[in-house]
Amino acid sequence: QVQLVESGGGLVKPGGSLRLSCAASGFTFSDYYMSWIRQAPGKGLEWVSYMSSSGSVIYYADSVRGRFTISRDNTKNSVFLQMKSLRGEDTAVYYCATKGTIVAAPCHQWGQGTLVTVSS
Amino acid sequence: DIQMTQSPSTLSASVGDRVTITCRASQSISTSLAWYQQKPGKAPKLLIYKASSLESGVPSRFSGSGSGTEFTLTISSLQPDDFATYYCQQYNTYEGIFGQGTKVEI
Repeated sequence: QVQLVESGGGLVKPGGSLRLSCAASGFTFSDYYMSWIRQAPGKGLEWVSYMSSSGSVIYYADSVRGRFTISRDNTKNSVFLQMKSLRGEDTAVYYCATKGTIVAAPCHQWGQGTLVTVSS
Repeated sequence: DIQMTQSPSTLSASVGDRVTITCRASQSISTSLAWYQQKPGKAPKLLIYKASSLESGVPSRFSGSGSGTEFTLTISSLQPDDFATYYCQQYNTYEGIFGQGTKVEI
């Protein structure tokens, strides 16, 4: 079955960097758009970024554009989120999710999430 | 930017009740709308996509309707497992904007 496993979260100081990873299995990873979504403690869901199956199409939310970079390695069935210049408001659980084979698609499968805490 | 507004924010209900949650988009999104269920400490789970299509494995007591700017999620007979927070999400534009959530509680 489809499995998405995030890793790389942790405690980081404001201004610091962190790289999240998401390992996928159970489906043809290279066919799917992949997305990152986050949820601050006690808050709702916020879409962060997504990348097309080939990596040629990338979008970011305004709140992270210029600081976060999404990438993927289809040979390793993995998607990544490089986060720089982190702020307190970036504190959240970060989920990776499959977005389907076209851009206009919902998030069918989600990982369990990884917690990022930005604090001094 | 498209805004997604859910109502109510909190809903008190009992087992067996028919429950309806509304999601409004600030501009037309055709039927590019999904509904998710999230329980505390867990990842969201897709229930409905394309406004009214039931995701595989989701009980038939869940249904969705609407198009354009107004959408509803209906639970025909609330079960104990359904107490959770529900989110709508538009995917008509590249921004996958979510509604603020509706908590269904006893």
